[in-house]
Amino acid sequence: GQQVMQIPQYQHVQEGEDFTTYCNSSTTLSNIQWYKQRPGGHPVFLIQLVKSGEVKKQKRLTFQFGEAKKNSSLHITATQTTDVGTYFCAVFLNAGGTSYGKLTFGQGTILTVHP
Amino acid sequence: EPEVTQTPSHQVTQMGQEVILRCVPISNHLYFYWYRQILGQKVEFLVSFYNNEISEKSEIFDDQFSVERPDGSNFTLKIRSTKLEDSAMYFCASSIRGRGGYTFGSGTRLTVV
Repeated sequence: GQQVMQIPQYQHVQEGEDFTTYCNSSTTLSNIQWYKQRPGGHPVFLIQLVKSGEVKKQKRLTFQFGEAKKNSSLHITATQTTDVGTYFCAVFLNAGGTSYGKLTFGQGTILTVHP
Repeated sequence: EPEVTQTPSHQVTQMGQEVILRCVPISNHLYFYWYRQILGQKVEFLVSFYNNEISEKSEIFDDQFSVERPDGSNFTLKIRSTKLEDSAMYFCASSIRGRGGYTFGSGTRLTVV
């Protein structure tokens, strides 16, 4: 069935190093969203990508949507301790009729940053 | 910035008891959701609600679960007879569009003992 896989599960970096998390789907996606969850917090919406090959930037964060719309990545340049948290991709699955489907989260990548 | 408000922040209940988790979505949002997250695990979809009816639900959302929008502001999740495995963080979310970004509340930590 439809599913989305996110890797890596964990990433430990030194402050100042770069970080990338990847999200892969077995099927073509209509769009993909990214969320950040701080430790003990709730998911916070970061961005939505819709177009094939789309690249969007938010300060040190770069989001990409693959040409085939089956994968996406989030890259953080020069990590800071404030980047600590879990990063989730999320996609709409099993849409039918008038329903938009279920926004389904990947397993998440837990980022720790050592000062 | 508008927020989704959830109460209580923490609920402890005996197994078999009914619990009601409450949410106040953002006022101009039309789509409402419940998710849950067992400690350290992924965020799992439970149910979506639009135009006063359920639009999607997951296999987790069985007959023990129900949702209601009793008035123009509140959105509730009821678990009729709680089980130990219902212990989790429950997040309410809302969105202005069916396929837009979701705004999540701070969650209710449910502990079933």
